[in-house]
Amino acid sequence: AQSVAQPEDQVNVAEGNPLTVKCTYSVSGNPYLFWYVQYPNRGLQFLLKYITGDNLVKGSYGFEAEFNKSQTSFHLKKPSALVSDSALYFCAVRDGNNFNKFYFGSGTKLNVKP
Amino acid sequence: DAGVTQSPTHLIKTRGQQVTLRCSPKSGHDTVSWYQQALGQGPQFIFQYYEEEERQRGNFPDRFSGHQFPNYSSELNVNALLLGDSALYLCASSRVGQGKGEQYFGPGTRLTVT
Repeated sequence: AQSVAQPEDQVNVAEGNPLTVKCTYSVSGNPYLFWYVQYPNRGLQFLLKYITGDNLVKGSYGFEAEFNKSQTSFHLKKPSALVSDSALYFCAVRDGNNFNKFYFGSGTKLNVKP
Repeated sequence: DAGVTQSPTHLIKTRGQQVTLRCSPKSGHDTVSWYQQALGQGPQFIFQYYEEEERQRGNFPDRFSGHQFPNYSSELNVNALLLGDSALYLCASSRVGQGKGEQYFGPGTRLTVT
């Protein structure tokens, strides 16, 4: 069965500092991994995805994620955080048998302080 | 190019009542998935519709049902509402054949059951 874990409920970082939001996954078959961001009272916005290829994936708004197969991790990163990055971040894995079924983590609240 | 739209934005219902939520997929998309996002949690997959049929279903009771119309729009129906059904209901669309692509989410409908 597919599952995703986000071990941190909240991450606090100062503006200008690098940020990391952690995600580990469990999946049968090849992993299809995604990061989404959710602002208050809004739906989910796509940030980036890993399907295959380079382990470092670049996405929207300067975010990137590193796929590590041996550690079954897909951590979200950004070299320099902005206050406007403060939001709820979700890691998701796609069902290997149904490309349209996603399993989401519980979310990590990112707080970027000025 | 319109994205995924959902209506209504907010809804307040009483226990035991029935509710219908609506979703229009992104232009060019033919598959609609519904998710329930309880407060403080990640989205949980309810079901998916393609070619006007339910194709996949998550762990939700039969009180949750849906429909897809020939124009690919979709409805989510919930009968005999319980307090625990209070959540943000998200609709996501995608296109069959773009199996490695991301889902696009609507802004959601906030359902409150009193």
